[in-house]
Amino acid sequence: GESVGLHLPTLSVQEGDNSIINCAYSNSASDYFIWYKQESGKGPQFIIDIRSNMDKRQGQRVTVLLNKTVKHLSLQIAATQPGDSAVYFCAENIQGGSEKLVFGKGMKLTVNP
Amino acid sequence: ETGVTQSPTHLIKTRGQQVTLRCSSQSGHNTVSWYQQALGQGPQFIFQYYREEENGRGNFPPRFSGLQFPNYSSELNVNALELDDSALYLCASSLVGRTSSYNEQFFGPGTRLTVL
Repeated sequence: GESVGLHLPTLSVQEGDNSIINCAYSNSASDYFIWYKQESGKGPQFIIDIRSNMDKRQGQRVTVLLNKTVKHLSLQIAATQPGDSAVYFCAENIQGGSEKLVFGKGMKLTVNP
Repeated sequence: ETGVTQSPTHLIKTRGQQVTLRCSSQSGHNTVSWYQQALGQGPQFIFQYYREEENGRGNFPPRFSGLQFPNYSSELNVNALELDDSALYLCASSLVGRTSSYNEQFFGPGTRLTVL
């Protein structure tokens, strides 16, 4: 059940606040990045992606920022809701071959009502 | 729901035993990737199968093996189980075509394997 979030860094926010989750990636050759949300008892769920030729992409209530100079990704969630409580992972993909995803360590987001 | 299903949902084995985990990919998808997610960690890529052949492998020993069937469903087999194999095993399906564009992977709910 709750084991996905154990031992992970945790971010606690109040409902309605904006949340920012950060991620450092490892490979400068990575050309595609994805943010996933994983709720208890479920597999990772796609949130938003960004290609390396962009530095910002917006979705519904979410924005991803990419800084290739320092190999840093962030996920911004606007007006955070209790349903946003989950573990968030960034993943990088190196083009070519098997499309292997390399996941970051993850951040547990807890939204307090 | 992604349409990717996995069985069983939970499994308990003892050291030295063998296990087979199953994955049914989303309709229309031709590629299955398997990941191991240890407690408190992100998923780690085990291998990928495309059109019934292994198409890339992560840093896992040969006792981790797989199969993909003509209907694109897949199995993950682990021999000589070790305590450290206890984890959530995820499969993800995607549709890989002729273009070089990345193809989104859709994850199943996982199989929780406990090795005692």
